[in-house]
Amino acid sequence: DQQVKQNSPSLSVQEGRISILNCDYTNSMFDYFLWYKKYPAEGPTFLISISSIKDKNEDGRFTVFLNKSAKHLSLHIVPSQPGDSAVYFCAAWDGNNRKLIWGLGTSLAVNP
Amino acid sequence: DAGVIQSPRHEVTEMGQEVTLRCKPISGHNSLFWYRQTMMRGLELLIYFNNNVPIDDSGMPEDRFSAKMPNASFSTLKIQPSEPRDSAVYFCASNNGGVSYNEQFFGPGTRLTVL
Repeated sequence: DQQVKQNSPSLSVQEGRISILNCDYTNSMFDYFLWYKKYPAEGPTFLISISSIKDKNEDGRFTVFLNKSAKHLSLHIVPSQPGDSAVYFCAAWDGNNRKLIWGLGTSLAVNP
Repeated sequence: DAGVIQSPRHEVTEMGQEVTLRCKPISGHNSLFWYRQTMMRGLELLIYFNNNVPIDDSGMPEDRFSAKMPNASFSTLKIQPSEPRDSAVYFCASNNGGVSYNEQFFGPGTRLTVL
């Protein structure tokens, strides 16, 4: 029973366009959310995070939006580049149980 | 900085054999995590060490799995005996925040295939 759901296993986008990766969660008590990026044959690397007290965090081409009422967050990449092609994991921090809960990932392909 | 180092990168073994995965965390980090990644279950935390002490091993699937951290620069994950369903990618990660939302630094993983 996934508490953090990334419902799109894959996404394909043209270079220069916006990539939007979505993540839904079930526990309203999650208080911090993170995105990690993973290239083949490498471990995940931290990309960007957001606290539950905020609704937006931006870092260069990457912006994460949080909609607490909908229990939904999204990662926007603008403009998308071929080097962004990777698997993106959404993770949520459950402070009560002291666990980081991971989604299954979304594979993004940015086509030249 | 070499990052988190894992060995071997690939391991193919037969059912019933013992498998030992190794990890060297980033120097100065006080927390170490072992994860297993499968297509069906994604990234699962198996065990977490803080200052070389196992804090939470509730993710270890069975008694066939064991992990040790004899010092701050080395950890092992052992599977004995191994089974085909143990086939997965095993990641080691380290940080200075323990189990928190602090960034974790992952190694490249060990791809284990049990025939």
